[in-house]
Amino acid sequence: GAVVSQHPSRVICKSGTSVKIECRSLDFQATTMFWYRQFPKQSLMLMATSNEGSKATYEQGVEKDKFLINHASLTLSTLTVTSAHPEDSSFYICSAREANTEAFFGQGTRLTVV
Amino acid sequence: LAKTTQPISMDSYEGQEVNITCSHNNIATNDYITWYQQFPSQGPRFIIQGYKTKVTNEVASLFIPADRKSSTLSLPRVSLSDTAVYYCLVGVTFSGGYNKLIFGAGTRLAVHP
Repeated sequence: GAVVSQHPSRVICKSGTSVKIECRSLDFQATTMFWYRQFPKQSLMLMATSNEGSKATYEQGVEKDKFLINHASLTLSTLTVTSAHPEDSSFYICSAREANTEAFFGQGTRLTVV
Repeated sequence: LAKTTQPISMDSYEGQEVNITCSHNNIATNDYITWYQQFPSQGPRFIIQGYKTKVTNEVASLFIPADRKSSTLSLPRVSLSDTAVYYCLVGVTFSGGYNKLIFGAGTRLAVHP
């Protein structure tokens, strides 16, 4: 299947700093990308959906000024967690799809804010 | 988007067939049914997708009755490596696009020796 690469796979940052997570579609053009957050033993929670060249659509309760999403090209989307706090520690997963295919997921990024 | 209901957990033994049923009473005419598998600390992996009747691939089968209000993922002869969380999603489509991919609680399958 198609490959979606996320980087970094894990990151530790200090409280108050910002962290950027990259999501790349390696062998297809991702017209739509999704960002999820997953806490231990819980399901994936959709944070936002982005289409290339457009502003992301955020789910209710997700602060768009805190979780900045950029989908500048058909192969790259980034999620920046701004002014991170310990409660932002979680597993962040991106997903990408092109037209007429199923969605493929990245391997996830484990964020720990200390 | 149609809401899905799955058993929270299931247990099985190596070599057995496992059937996980998902209820989606409010499925829409254009909705497809998709199943994903997730191992700890990894992103979900696509297993199978179907619209009606039966779909089979190299890893699983998907049975969908005529009313499409439920679906059953069948894993033949499971092994320890099939221990994972399995998610049933409704509303994704191959064509025409979709705007959201919403995950339910999933079913935590434990395969024992």
